[in-house]
Parts: sequence; structure tokens; C-alpha cells
Amino acid sequence: DAGVIQSPRHEVTEMGQEVTLRCKPISGHDYLFWYRQTMMRGLELLIYFNNNVPIDDSGMPEDRFSAKMPNASFSTLKIQPSEPRDSAVYFCASRYRDRGTGELFFGEGSRLTVL
Amino acid sequence: SQQGEEDPQALSIQEGENATMNCSYKTSINNLQWYRQNSGRGLVHLILIRSNEREKHSGRLRVTLDTSKKSSSLLITASRAADTASYFCATVAMRGGADGLTFGKGTHLIIQP
Repeated sequence: DAGVIQSPRHEVTEMGQEVTLRCKPISGHDYLFWYRQTMMRGLELLIYFNNNVPIDDSGMPEDRFSAKMPNASFSTLKIQPSEPRDSAVYFCASRYRDRGTGELFFGEGSRLTVL
Repeated sequence: SQQGEEDPQALSIQEGENATMNCSYKTSINNLQWYRQNSGRGLVHLILIRSNEREKHSGRLRVTLDTSKKSSSLLITASRAADTASYFCATVAMRGGADGLTFGKGTHLIIQP
């Protein structure tokens, strides 16, 4: 089975530019999560979706961040405009709810560098 | 704020030795999970222990949970160089709903060959 697929794996951009990160969850998973990882703050939950509907976006740091899930197989995280402090690794993860395990399946991450 | 906090932040041992990492958390939990992250990669689930369990084994992994102390430990026996990675504990809150996992900052484990 294909795992969670994220793109791009690496992105280098200049301050002020728009950044779009993409995620394809594992087929059949009905929960999708976006996390951000930095050395200083560790792993932070940004937002999560259930059946394509955003459930909790309280972790989204600012209005510059937005996330969508137009269908069960695709989600985007957008930063506009980007700032150097947004530099981090962004992870997408998905899971089944009804398995009861709570186990998350992570993608390989998108490493963002904002100059 | 982070729910789980791992201790130590870094650990370096010789191959073949046992590695023990600890995790403390703050609120009541439904379950606690341990994940591994190799450098430059995503996190991979290792083991889950439910709040009504005290110990669980999986291969060379042994996890304990003490809900009265709000702590857990992960023991890796007979460590191998390939065990070098960061290890994170993550908790699922007791309250209902499918909340996201809350992660600690991890223990960076180095196994010296």
C-alpha cells in the first residue's frame, strides 16, 4: 500500500512568496492532520480534518496559514505571504478512526526554507 | 504547550546495551504511543499502550505506563546501530472525539557501534 504522500519534499522560497504544500492521505483514512516540526517547538498540530471537514484549526499560527481538503484524497496547506520564521518541516498524517488505535501514518514531510 | 516531555533529550550508548527513555504527560489520557523518526524522515508508529494497561512488549521494545505518575518509559533491549533515531511519545486525550496526537520534543538516541 502506498503511504501518505507529500510534495514537494523540499522548497526554498523568498519571504513574501506564496507556498503550497500538498498531501495525499492513505486511501480509506478519514482523518488527516497537518503538523509542523521545528527544533525549538517540536511537533505542533496545526489543523486536522475529518471526512474532508476541518475540525480544529486552533493550531494554525496566523491568518497567513490556510488549509483545505477538497476531497478525500487531497489536502493543501498554504502560506501566504511566507516569512523566514515559517521555515520548518511540515508533516501530513492520516489515520482510521474506527480502528480505535489512534495510530498516525506520517508522510516524509516537506522541508520549507524561507529566505 | 507540549503534553508529553521526553527525558533525556539525548542518549548515547554502546551497541548491545539497553536504552531507556522516559515520558511525562500532564492530563488524563486515553492511550500513549511511541514513535520513531530517522533523520530526514517521517515519524513511524512503534507501539501503543492504553490507559488501562501497565506494560506492553513488541519485539525488543518494552513500554510501561504509570497513570498515577503520568509517566511512561520505552526500553529498547540489545540496541543496534540501526536504532539510532529520535523517539517521541504522544498522547491522546481522554475526552471524546478524534483529537490529534500531542507529541513531546523527543529523545535523540545514538547507538555507538
